[in-house]
Amino acid sequence: DTAVSQTPKYLVTQMGNDKSIKCEQNLGHDTMYWYKQDSKKFLKIMFSYNNKELIINETVPNRFSPKSPDKAHLNLHINSLELGDSAVYFCASRHTDTQYFGPGTRLTVL
Amino acid sequence: DAKTTQPTSMDCAEGRAANLPCNHSTISGNEYVYWYRQIHSQGPQYIIHGLKNNETNEMASLIITEDRKSSTLILPHATLRDTAVYYCIVRVGGSNYKLTFGKGTLLTVNP
Repeated sequence: DTAVSQTPKYLVTQMGNDKSIKCEQNLGHDTMYWYKQDSKKFLKIMFSYNNKELIINETVPNRFSPKSPDKAHLNLHINSLELGDSAVYFCASRHTDTQYFGPGTRLTVL
Repeated sequence: DAKTTQPTSMDCAEGRAANLPCNHSTISGNEYVYWYRQIHSQGPQYIIHGLKNNETNEMASLIITEDRKSSTLILPHATLRDTAVYYCIVRVGGSNYKLTFGKGTLLTVNP
């Protein structure tokens, strides 16, 4: 009965590759987010979608492109991966004042 | 959103109350105080939030000072599983809702 799930849990890839991380929530929430947590453990918001519409887009390189096929899914596609993209990426969904986070995807770029 | 200041780390004995302070001296009247925690290698978890009044739920209590410039999160009977980084976040309500996480407080509950 996982509320917010992400796949894969771990992702190891070479520089320059293109990869995607998938997120699904079964809570019926309209709003979803992507956060990045770097090696120093700072957790920063990247994007937010509300009912498939982009509402928050922080200063993120345009190599990162979120895609929301429906309101239960928010996928993150990353082009031309760089070493600095190595981090843990968290997806979240929101109901009123509470955000529910997924378990995270640890991305390692070699 | 207003800035928050938290101690870097704290220790607590198992079974005792854990009191985690947070300063938010520049908080505005329409900004809420939120607490989340992150257990090692997991996603952040919502704990509690409030505006002016003290709040209590099954996880914790939130005490907000009358001038709202500081607050305290209280875990009444800390367990080893409460060891985590605790984040105090201040944010304005509204539709473009986002959380700005700081460094948080690493709470270590000792046996």
